[in-house]
Amino acid sequence: EVQLVESGGSLVQPGGSLRLSCAASGFTFSTYWMSWVRQAPGEGLEWLANIKPDGSGTNFVDSVRGRFTVSRDNAKNTLYLYMDSLRDEDTAVYYCGGTLLATPATDWGRGTLVTVSS
Amino acid sequence: QSALTQPASVSGSPGQSITISCTGTSSDIGNDYNWVSWYQQHPGKAPKLMIYDVNNRPSGASNRFSGSKSGNTASLTISGLQAEDEADYYCSSYTTSATYVFGTGTEVTVL
Repeated sequence: EVQLVESGGSLVQPGGSLRLSCAASGFTFSTYWMSWVRQAPGEGLEWLANIKPDGSGTNFVDSVRGRFTVSRDNAKNTLYLYMDSLRDEDTAVYYCGGTLLATPATDWGRGTLVTVSS
Repeated sequence: QSALTQPASVSGSPGQSITISCTGTSSDIGNDYNWVSWYQQHPGKAPKLMIYDVNNRPSGASNRFSGSKSGNTASLTISGLQAEDEADYYCSSYTTSATYVFGTGTEVTVL
């Protein structure tokens, strides 16, 4: 059974940094494209970034490019999202997702809440 | 990259069919990739993939869900509407910038 479990969400001050992790199990992690998607409270889904199966390339939405970084450790079956210069508007539930298809995610984690507030 | 445009809400009675539209541009929905997906999201839950590549269903998705695309607009049709279909629905498209973009979301109500 595919399992994705996000962790690392917390309350952080504006301008701060945070690292989210996504632990994967139940599938061959190193063959999947992995994405991060977020959802602000009461709002819709926003695709943030993805990373190639071998970690050789990443893509980002304009709103986080330069502030967020994505990496993966295929030996540890773990995906990461590094977030810098956090803003109030980055407050959201952050989901990781994986797929073999041309879609943001076929399988999803349950999400982790990031709150940016002073 | 602006979000794709969806109606805020759509409703129907049990057994009826409803269609949700998703309008974008030639850089996303209207590009040549045809990588349009649809997701269902129940409150407090993670999204669930219902349609990919415009009109393909992944295993586990009901065959009452179907997709189509014409020009810069994609559509999701739910046939034989059931109470369990009440949820939020989001379209998604691959873009010519090698990114993905989601729609604004549609709340489906079963009357």
